[in-house]
Amino acid sequence: DAKTTQPNSMESNEEEPVHLPCNHSTISGTDYIHWYRQLPSQGPEYVIHGLTSNVNNRMASLAIAEDRKSSTLILHRATLRDAAVYYCIPRRASYDKVIFGPGTSLSVIP
Amino acid sequence: NAGVTQTPKFRVLKTGQSMTLLCAQDMNHEYMYWYRQDPGMGLRLIHYSVGEGTTAKGEVPDGYNVSRLKKQNFLLGLESAAPSQTSVYFCASRELTGDNSPLHFGNGTRLTVT
Repeated sequence: DAKTTQPNSMESNEEEPVHLPCNHSTISGTDYIHWYRQLPSQGPEYVIHGLTSNVNNRMASLAIAEDRKSSTLILHRATLRDAAVYYCIPRRASYDKVIFGPGTSLSVIP
Repeated sequence: NAGVTQTPKFRVLKTGQSMTLLCAQDMNHEYMYWYRQDPGMGLRLIHYSVGEGTTAKGEVPDGYNVSRLKKQNFLLGLESAAPSQTSVYFCASRELTGDNSPLHFGNGTRLTVT
């Protein structure tokens, strides 16, 4: 499994953009990069995933470095509801296990 | 469409007691997972299943058993509960088609062992 490094915690002001980084320097060529988030007292929910190209959906954008050793989850305009723990997970397409790291705890300041 | 449903939501056990946690999904997903989450920590994989009748060990399988007799259900058993098993347990499922299919999680079972 590729190892990931994420900041333990980050803060953002409401309505500001947030850039959540993830280092995955041991990622293999076939690993997709998945992001999940966990709101307080809830189970994790899927946010976005990508392989090489940057990806956008209604929740966020995912920017993947050209060497794929890092990625950044971008929340374009943080709201109080975005306060959560964000998990970056490199995931091999053929691999059954899905392993979570400690993630980044995002606080949003009104 | 209820998604992933976990039963019960809360439970308190005494040391040595046994119990079974039930996870049910109505999305016809092949893969199912059990995780535990201790306070302030990330999720750790206990056991998982890639289809009906199959189970496999995750990162922290000791002290737990699982069964997948029906595709829609994944049971997690504690034969002799210990205080170290106090945790929040999350179940998840995902479909087989599309190697990068996302996980769908339930809302968790909060277990306290005294």
